[in-house]
Amino acid sequence: QSALTQPASVSGSPGQSITISCTGTSSDVGGYNYVSWYQQHPGKAPKLMIYEVSNRPSGVSNRFSGSKSGNTASLTISGLQTEDEADYYCSSYTSSSTYVFGTGTKVTVL
Amino acid sequence: QVQLQESGPGLVEPSQTLSLTCTVSGGSISSGSYYWSWIRQPAGKGLEWIGRIYTSGSTNYNPSLKSRVTISVDTSKNQFSLKVSSVTAADTAMYYCATMVAGKGNFDPWGQGTLVTVSS
Repeated sequence: QSALTQPASVSGSPGQSITISCTGTSSDVGGYNYVSWYQQHPGKAPKLMIYEVSNRPSGVSNRFSGSKSGNTASLTISGLQTEDEADYYCSSYTSSSTYVFGTGTKVTVL
Repeated sequence: QVQLQESGPGLVEPSQTLSLTCTVSGGSISSGSYYWSWIRQPAGKGLEWIGRIYTSGSTNYNPSLKSRVTISVDTSKNQFSLKVSSVTAADTAMYYCATMVAGKGNFDPWGQGTLVTVSS
């Protein structure tokens, strides 16, 4: 199974909004609503930010939102803050009853 | 809230078997409907899903690793384990355990991770 495709890097100024894409196929992202997003700061374990395409776990800021169109899922961070600088990964369930992660996106706050 | 903690040797020789354990606290590994997963991350690289085991004992593995990976559960110790055979330098990575509620499709929570280096 191939990793989902994410841009290597995305940047924005404080207060701006950025969007990270996650492109797969009809056998993963496009076929199921089991897309989740994870934030990873250096040296730390990943943290769940969005599950089932657009749901936020308790405690996650409402500045984070998710969506999906066809084979591409997206994570939007609005009101960008310095603490949002991290790596972000998407994940999807697949038709083979497995999971696949995205290639990862480094978010830089300018 | 369930908490996970990985443990195992930090150094494994090439061609040997890597063995890690994830200890579950704050809940019983055999209660409820949960999947228990292993995920790894080479230094400076992305996440790779290794596989999972259901409360019932059924497993699913990443096709690229399936021939070398075994995940098992020890309910008496409230632990689940990972074995990767015939390791090479490419298996050097941070290894995380994580859980998933059946029907939810997301990994949460995660353990803090344990670094495994394959070297002679």
